[in-house]
Amino acid sequence: QVQLQESGPGLVKPSQTLSLTCIVSGGSINSGNYYWSWIRQPAGKGPEWIGRIYFSGSTNYNPSLKSRLSMSVDTSKNQFSLELTSVTAADTAFYYCARSGRYGSDWYFDLWGRGTLVTVSS
Amino acid sequence: EIVLTQSPGTLSLSPGEGATLSCRASQMFGSNYLAWYVQKPGQAPRLLIYGASSRATGIPDRFSGSGSGTDFTLTINRLEPEDFAVYYCQQYGSSPTTFGQGTRLEIK
Repeated sequence: QVQLQESGPGLVKPSQTLSLTCIVSGGSINSGNYYWSWIRQPAGKGPEWIGRIYFSGSTNYNPSLKSRLSMSVDTSKNQFSLELTSVTAADTAFYYCARSGRYGSDWYFDLWGRGTLVTVSS
Repeated sequence: EIVLTQSPGTLSLSPGEGATLSCRASQMFGSNYLAWYVQKPGQAPRLLIYGASSRATGIPDRFSGSGSGTDFTLTINRLEPEDFAVYYCQQYGSSPTTFGQGTRLEIK
């Protein structure tokens, strides 16, 4: 079955760039049926959608993060990535990659990675 | 963006009882595009309900969703020990998609 696995540094210094990658296994990221998202969740709070990418490279970002955010996809490696610039302590959270449907009617997340904790601290 | 307010913040019940969790939106969004998730400690959220009332694959029929407009409900019948966790709602009818702050269901 399809699985998602996040990877990246667990500690990032303030003002630097947070970079994470999500590897898709057991299925192809090229499937036209899905968008691939990043979602974060500070400890004890609700999740926050960060942005999503289609296999073609088309992206949608949360307006609250758009100015600092970049997502990319590498279909040859079956993975997609996140870069968030100029991080502060407010960016400390568990970061998840997740899958949703292609259409507005199915923009819910039926598959999640296990998540990775990213702490912003000097 | 649409703000989802979940109530109560914490619900204390005993196994075998029924639970009713509420999710209220700050404004209407498209076509009952409302999902529910459950999250256990150290795990990612897991999809329970989508489209306000459709159960995800493998979810037992003890879980049901209802509601429309701005008011939605997750009902859990005959609570099992594994049901005690945190529950989140998500609206996906308006961009950006947003989540509620969660309801913690704890054992009384």
